Amino acid sequence: AQSVTQPDIHITVSEGASLELRCNYSYGATPYLFWYVQSPGQGLQLLLKYFSGDTLVQGIKGFEAEFKRSQSSFNLRKPSVHWSDAAEYFCAVGTNTGNQFYFGTGTSLTVIP
Amino acid sequence: DVKVTQSSRYLVKRTGEKVFLECVQDMDHENMFWYRQDPGLGLRLIYFSYDVKMKEKGDIPEGYSVSREKKERFSLILESASTNQTSMYLCASSLHRTPNEQFFGPGTRLTVL
Repeated sequence: AQSVTQPDIHITVSEGASLELRCNYSYGATPYLFWYVQSPGQGLQLLLKYFSGDTLVQGIKGFEAEFKRSQSSFNLRKPSVHWSDAAEYFCAVGTNTGNQFYFGTGTSLTVIP
Repeated sequence: DVKVTQSSRYLVKRTGEKVFLECVQDMDHENMFWYRQDPGLGLRLIYFSYDVKMKEKGDIPEGYSVSREKKERFSLILESASTNQTSMYLCASSLHRTPNEQFFGPGTRLTVL
């Protein structure tokens, strides 16, 4: 069965520091991978997605993610975090056999001055 | 821009009441989804629909039903609300049947007393 694991429930970083949020998935074929961000009280906004091709994908707000098939990972990175990046981040996997997404449980990011 | 709207941001109901949550999208998307979001559990799919009058169960359909009479509108119904249905409910829509970006509404926070 498909599944997504985000091993870090909560991460705290200093403003200006680099960030990496981990995501591991379980799926037998090539997955469709997504990162979403949710600001407090808001819906989810797409940061970036991977369908095929270049394994390093660029997204909005200066985020990027790298697909590593050998590690079944799709980690999200940002070289310098801003206070406005404080939010909940969700990794999701979609399959080519249906319409469903499978979401991780999320990582809550706190940014300290 | 795609816009997904939900009828209420906050809703308070009593146990046993019938509750309707409405979702409307304005981009002619075929697919629509209802999720519930709970701390530590991420997003869990309740139901989805890939066409008018079509619906499929997600991972946690018990206690819920849905209606899609028009392409742009997808309703979630709690036939007899219970306290364990207190949650954040998120609606989403997407284009086509194959996995594609899902666009989310702002969410409805439902409290059942």
